[in-house]
Amino acid sequence: GENVEQHPSTLSVQEGDSAVIKCTYSDSASNYFPWYKQELGKGPQLIIDIRSNVGEKKDQRIAVTLNKTAKHFSLHITETQPEDSAVYFCAASKGNQFYFGTGTSLTVIP
Amino acid sequence: DAGVTQSPTHLIKTRGQQVTLRCSPKSGHDTVSWYQQALGQGPQFIFQYYEEEERQRGNFPDRFSGHQFPNYSSELNVNALLLGDSALYLCASSFPTGDTEAFFGQGTRLTVV
Repeated sequence: GENVEQHPSTLSVQEGDSAVIKCTYSDSASNYFPWYKQELGKGPQLIIDIRSNVGEKKDQRIAVTLNKTAKHFSLHITETQPEDSAVYFCAASKGNQFYFGTGTSLTVIP
Repeated sequence: DAGVTQSPTHLIKTRGQQVTLRCSPKSGHDTVSWYQQALGQGPQFIFQYYEEEERQRGNFPDRFSGHQFPNYSSELNVNALLLGDSALYLCASSFPTGDTEAFFGQGTRLTVV
């Protein structure tokens, strides 16, 4: 099966700085890579995704990059704000099954 | 659009009991997947339903079963509850194709005592 590793497990940044979260996956057949934000007591919320035929995608302050050769993808958040504080999960999808990383707890310090 | 809705939000059960969790998918979606999220972990895939049939299954025992109704809503049943079944159970809805967005509900927090 697929194995997704995510680093770091915790990340603290000053407000306005950038945050980067990295994930690796093992199965080259995975072709869809979403990122989710989960706030305390809530379900995961899709914030951005990328498909295997694309190397980079950006949506305002959030960007995702994918390196299929190296089997890794990253989430970049620029100009961080306190409301960005949450747990972020990466996932890799093969077929319709999502394999999630173990999460990164991001704290943005005002 | 109400999005994905799950009920109940919280549940406490005794070891050995049975539980049923419910999910209504986002409007327009016909595929429902269930995930188990232990504290501090990422969600783990349980199974997926499409056209009222189980289409894929993760590494979970037969105590975990499900159902999908003609209106695309779904139920997750867990029999003979164990303490280790305590977790947040998440429902996600999507279209049936592989590389498509999945939207999650707020989850059901199950506590087994």
